[in-house]
Amino acid sequence: RKEVEQDPGPFNVPEGATVAFNCTYSNSASQSFFWYRQDCRKEPKLLMSVYSSGNEDGRFTAQLNRASQYISLLIRDSKLSDSATYLCVVNIGNQGGKLIFGQGTELSVKP
Amino acid sequence: DTEVTQTPKHLVMGMTNKKSLKCEQHMGHRAMYWYKQKAKKPPELMFVYSYEKLSINESVPSRFSPECPNSSLLNLHLHALQPEDSALYLCASSQDRLAAQTEQFFGPGTRLTVL
Repeated sequence: RKEVEQDPGPFNVPEGATVAFNCTYSNSASQSFFWYRQDCRKEPKLLMSVYSSGNEDGRFTAQLNRASQYISLLIRDSKLSDSATYLCVVNIGNQGGKLIFGQGTELSVKP
Repeated sequence: DTEVTQTPKHLVMGMTNKKSLKCEQHMGHRAMYWYKQKAKKPPELMFVYSYEKLSINESVPSRFSPECPNSSLLNLHLHALQPEDSALYLCASSQDRLAAQTEQFFGPGTRLTVL
């Protein structure tokens, strides 16, 4: 079983749609959680850190369920510029700062 | 300013060449990282430096040699690479590798092609 698993995608949605990405992690010692977005041939950029209470940043909402070892990202009112690969990332905490990346979910928002 | 810079942006080298990749950050971060990323795959960690000391080497072949001259700079020296080493090489930094909730910030990467 992979340490961090994401929906395989790709997700093809129309502008204005709401889209949800799911991610599960296997190590219960995981301490911190992030969503990064990566545009084609660019570097990953931090989208959001994910906190236990859930957090929102504009159209983006991240949720963490430690009991189920599950992280989600909700994007409301999708824009063309949201098209990218979304990476679920976990810091297990006892591996010296090593980040564990999911395989990424590709999102394509169409006009 | 959450900026990590990398040079060069692109590099083409032969299997007998020696080249170096450079990374710089001025955020006062004390941890710096090298990753390798192949197309359609997530980044793979290669090395971690913490307070200018190598703290993690993910069993990377010796043809890749990291160096941290000071707290702002990170180099990756390349020698006798193979075509399968062609990839995007990403540098990242974070405030402290062991602090909880410490985010890593990535540079734009060097796209390496080995002929």
